[in-house]
Amino acid sequence: EIVLTQSPGTVSLSPGERATLSCRASQSLKPNHLAWYQQIPGQAPRLLIYGSSTRATGIPDRFSGSGSGTDFTLTISNVEPEDFAVYYCQQYDPSPPRYTFGQGTKLEIK
Amino acid sequence: QVHLLQSGAEVKKPGSSVKVSCKASGGTFSTYIVNWVRQAPGQGPEWMGRVIPIFGTVAYAQKFEGGVTITADESTATAHMELSSLRSEDTAVYFCALEPPDCNSASGCLYYLDSWGQGTPVTVSS
Repeated sequence: EIVLTQSPGTVSLSPGERATLSCRASQSLKPNHLAWYQQIPGQAPRLLIYGSSTRATGIPDRFSGSGSGTDFTLTISNVEPEDFAVYYCQQYDPSPPRYTFGQGTKLEIK
Repeated sequence: QVHLLQSGAEVKKPGSSVKVSCKASGGTFSTYIVNWVRQAPGQGPEWMGRVIPIFGTVAYAQKFEGGVTITADESTATAHMELSSLRSEDTAVYFCALEPPDCNSASGCLYYLDSWGQGTPVTVSS
């Protein structure tokens, strides 16, 4: 089973700064199988990025995804106050079908 | 985008079962795959299983095999997740989430969950 490890656990930034969140897989992933979500406390996760780098509908262009193989990155340029939340990466195994999530990175206000 | 409405919060005794519903509106339910994900307090999401409504086929995470039953009713656009033999460790928020069909000849298939229910808190306590 593929394990996703996110780092750092917590990142403290001020609005306007750049956030770089990492997701490392225990095995090489197909880029199509990697997605990122944002979760605000008390709410459901919200899809941000799928296919490693495609923004979901309505997601601002300050969010971008990149990476390949075992290393993937979510970048938030010019962090806005509403971006402070927990971010999860997710991968998909087709055989047998299953989703796996990372443990999350918390983006907090500095 | 499809809207998902889940049933309300539950409080259950250890050893009992819980059944959570998820009703879809605003889209073609049968074209999606319905997944169930849970999140224990302070933890990341954990995938439990899924159902393809148009076929009725299911797949479960190994951890939940034998303990969870996921079904879907196309006529009512509703999916259900039943978890049996509850323990305190099953205290969590349970979400349904839709995987859209997203395949093309150029790039293959993409896998993600783009619509989520609001979550159903389940508390297991004696």
